[in-house]
Amino acid sequence: AQSVTQLDSHVSVSEGTPVLLRCNYSSSYSPSLFWYVQHPNKGLQLLLKYTSAATLVKGINGFEAEFKKSETSFHLTKPSAHMSDAAEYFCVVSETGGFKTIFGAGTRLFVKA
Amino acid sequence: EADIYQTPRYLVIGTGKKITLECSQTMGHDKMYWYQQDPGMELHLIHYSYGVNSTEKGDLSSESTVSRIRTEHFPLTLESARPSHTSQYLCASSDGRYNEQFFGPGTRLTVL
Repeated sequence: AQSVTQLDSHVSVSEGTPVLLRCNYSSSYSPSLFWYVQHPNKGLQLLLKYTSAATLVKGINGFEAEFKKSETSFHLTKPSAHMSDAAEYFCVVSETGGFKTIFGAGTRLFVKA
Repeated sequence: EADIYQTPRYLVIGTGKKITLECSQTMGHDKMYWYQQDPGMELHLIHYSYGVNSTEKGDLSSESTVSRIRTEHFPLTLESARPSHTSQYLCASSDGRYNEQFFGPGTRLTVL
């Protein structure tokens, strides 16, 4: 069975400070992991993905995530927040080679000026 | 350019009307999905398809129906819309081993 837990429903940071959005997962299979971002009234855009290659994954807009199998975590980070980063972020686990995809409940990121 | 399209983007209709939300992709993907999302909430899978003539219900029960007659087209139909159907509907497609999904811009439906 697979599941995804985003540990914070809301995160608030000041512009220019680091961002940390936390995601834990469980999977009976070798997982593929993704982070998506959703701006208001828009669809979801892929930020980055882990597919069993390098454990530190770099994505768009300066985001990166590290796959830690021992901790079953896939936290999203960014060194310096920008106002345009304010959005909803979804952590997603998928069964590699299969079909099942599970979305986390989402974390809303607020960025203060 | 390969992309995924949804029309209309916004729709306001009265109770009892029949509606069809369109979704098309030019990526050549076999798998397609419909999600329902209330504002600020998580996504719920309502329908998916492995390919032409294949459709399955998702995790969230829905009164809508879908069809997949062509690879690129995956429309969703509500025979009789109700206020409880008010929501955002997101279409996605994927292919390959890792199920990376590509999303359309969504249709925001309001039923009065």
